[in-house]
Amino acid sequence: QFQLVQSGAEVKKPGASVKVSCRASGYTFNRYGINWVRQAPGQGLEWMGWISPYNGYTKYVERFQGRATMTTDTSTSTAYMELRSLSSEDTAVYYCAREPIAAAGKPYYMDVWGKGTTVTVSS
Amino acid sequence: AIQLTQSPSSLSASVGDRVTITCRASQGIGSGLAWYQQKPGNAPNLLIYDVSSLESGVPSSFSGSGSGTEFTLTISSLQPEDFATYYCQQFSGYPPTFGGGTKVEIK
Repeated sequence: QFQLVQSGAEVKKPGASVKVSCRASGYTFNRYGINWVRQAPGQGLEWMGWISPYNGYTKYVERFQGRATMTTDTSTSTAYMELRSLSSEDTAVYYCAREPIAAAGKPYYMDVWGKGTTVTVSS
Repeated sequence: AIQLTQSPSSLSASVGDRVTITCRASQGIGSGLAWYQQKPGNAPNLLIYDVSSLESGVPSSFSGSGSGTEFTLTISSLQPEDFATYYCQQFSGYPPTFGGGTKVEIK
């Protein structure tokens, strides 16, 4: 069964960084892209960016450009999303989600999702 | 970025009802539209992709249609497990964007 297993909940202080992991199992990791999507409490879904495990290419939504970094480790089939300079507005559940193409140059739908990692930013 | 507007933002319905949710795009998106279901405390779950293709394992009571800038998700006969929030997503171009969601509640 295809699965994305995410790291546990984090509590951070304003100004700190967080790094969330997403380990894939049940499929060939580098044949599918990985998206990161976040959801603030009681709010909708917000796409943050995408990485291709096949070639390391990334795309970020403009508001996270320079503050978020997405990487992969193909040896462990794990994707990472690091977000820096955290503020209370970054309090959210962060999801990784697979898309069915590794490096198409355009976005796709997301067919497998991790359970989410809750990141709380509080002083 | 392409804006997606869902309507209604919430609705109340009874088991067995036919439910239709609309998603309007700020510009044409071709066939790059998907629908997700999200239950409280859970991750979104893909229902429909490419406007009308049913994801494997999703009940046939769900269907999608539309073209251009207007799309619909229809649940032909609402079941107790269908009470959830539904989101549309466009993947016509970067950045992919989501609609604001439609919460389907029990009447």
